[in-house]
Amino acid sequence: GAVVSQHPSWVICKSGTSVKIECRSLDFQATTMFWYRQFPKQSLMLMATSNEGSKATYEQGVEKDKFLINHASLTLSTLTVTSAHPEDSSFYICSARFELAPYEQYFGPGTRLTVT
Amino acid sequence: GENVEQHPSTLSVQEGDSAVIKCTYSDSASNYFPWYKQELGKGPQLIIDIRSNVGEKKDQRIAVTLNKTAKHFSLHITETQPEDSAVYFCAARSPGYALNFGKGTSLLVTP
Repeated sequence: GAVVSQHPSWVICKSGTSVKIECRSLDFQATTMFWYRQFPKQSLMLMATSNEGSKATYEQGVEKDKFLINHASLTLSTLTVTSAHPEDSSFYICSARFELAPYEQYFGPGTRLTVT
Repeated sequence: GENVEQHPSTLSVQEGDSAVIKCTYSDSASNYFPWYKQELGKGPQLIIDIRSNVGEKKDQRIAVTLNKTAKHFSLHITETQPEDSAVYFCAARSPGYALNFGKGTSLLVTP
């Protein structure tokens, strides 16, 4: 099956620093990837849609200058949380979409971010 | 925009029994309906999906049914096992849009 990896799986950083999370589709190419945030016992909240070679599309209420997304290749998208604060602590999950119908989405294992 | 409602929020069954989770959607243009299983601390795993031109799909112990007229779809798990315990999310997608997720169902299968 399709495999999506994320790195790191968990990270602890100090307030004010930046953290980069990588998302890779290992056995398929993905023009489109998605970044989600998930709070405990809640559903997935879409943050942005990442398109290879173009600017990401952010959902309403998501600060694009704080959550920088780069989709530089068909297998790699990165999310950088800039000037992180404790309220940014969360579980971040990426997803990659198949190029062919019905365009299934496969999720990475997630990254647990803790900002101290 | 699309609104996906999922019920129940929690479900407890005995091992060997069946479990059914139901979802409704609002956008009649939605044409793709996947189901994901999420274990604690992990990312969601695609377990089955159905397209709008199909009424039912089965894969071993899991099946999904879709009623386009009523705009609802359901996940059926038969002969449940303790390892089926997880949170299950339904989702719906309209052409050109991102997936919209339900709020999830926490399934507990007790031995």
